[in-house]
Amino acid sequence: DQQVKQNSPSLSVQEGRISILNCDYTNSMFDYFLWYKKYPAEGPTFLISISSIKDKNEDGRFTVFLNKSAKHLSLHIVPSQPGDSAVYFCAATAVRAGSYQLTFGKGTKLSVIP
Amino acid sequence: DSGVTQTPKHLITATGQRVTLRCSPRSGDLSVYWYQQSLDQGLQFLIQYYNGEERAKGNILERFSAQQFPDLHSELNLSSLELGDSALYFCASSVAAKGLNEQFFGPGTRLTVL
Repeated sequence: DQQVKQNSPSLSVQEGRISILNCDYTNSMFDYFLWYKKYPAEGPTFLISISSIKDKNEDGRFTVFLNKSAKHLSLHIVPSQPGDSAVYFCAATAVRAGSYQLTFGKGTKLSVIP
Repeated sequence: DSGVTQTPKHLITATGQRVTLRCSPRSGDLSVYWYQQSLDQGLQFLIQYYNGEERAKGNILERFSAQQFPDLHSELNLSSLELGDSALYFCASSVAAKGLNEQFFGPGTRLTVL
């Protein structure tokens, strides 16, 4: 049973436009969410995170939105750049429950077309 | 560069063999995590160590074991290898303190079992 789902395996966006990557979760215990970016032949790189006490967190071109009632989060990249082309993983954890284990989605491959 | 190192980068071995993967965490991080990424799969959490002690277990097979040493480096031992164990194995580290949950990943070890 997948507790973190990224239903779009791939996404193509024109350079300069907005990229929106989506993630859904089923476990109500999750209270901390992270996005990772992964290039081929490299380990995942931490991008941005959000605690369940917030509904938005922004860092430069990257913004993560959290909708707790819908158990849904999204990552917005504005403007998208060719260097953003990578696989993006959504991850979740239950910090208040004492867990630091991350549960990952299967990833969305983003292609930014110049 | 995340500051997490993993050796070796590549490992090719035969079924039935045993291998050891090594990970050195970022300076100051007490927690080490091991993940497996098989083809078309997201990252699957295997096991977590915190300051030398096992903290959490995920989908780790009985043929697999890990430990964290006093200098905080960790080793993942995989024995009686099967073809299906071929995967990327990532190590991550974190402070694992309250409110700080970002994990930083190494470049991974690609294991090929022939």
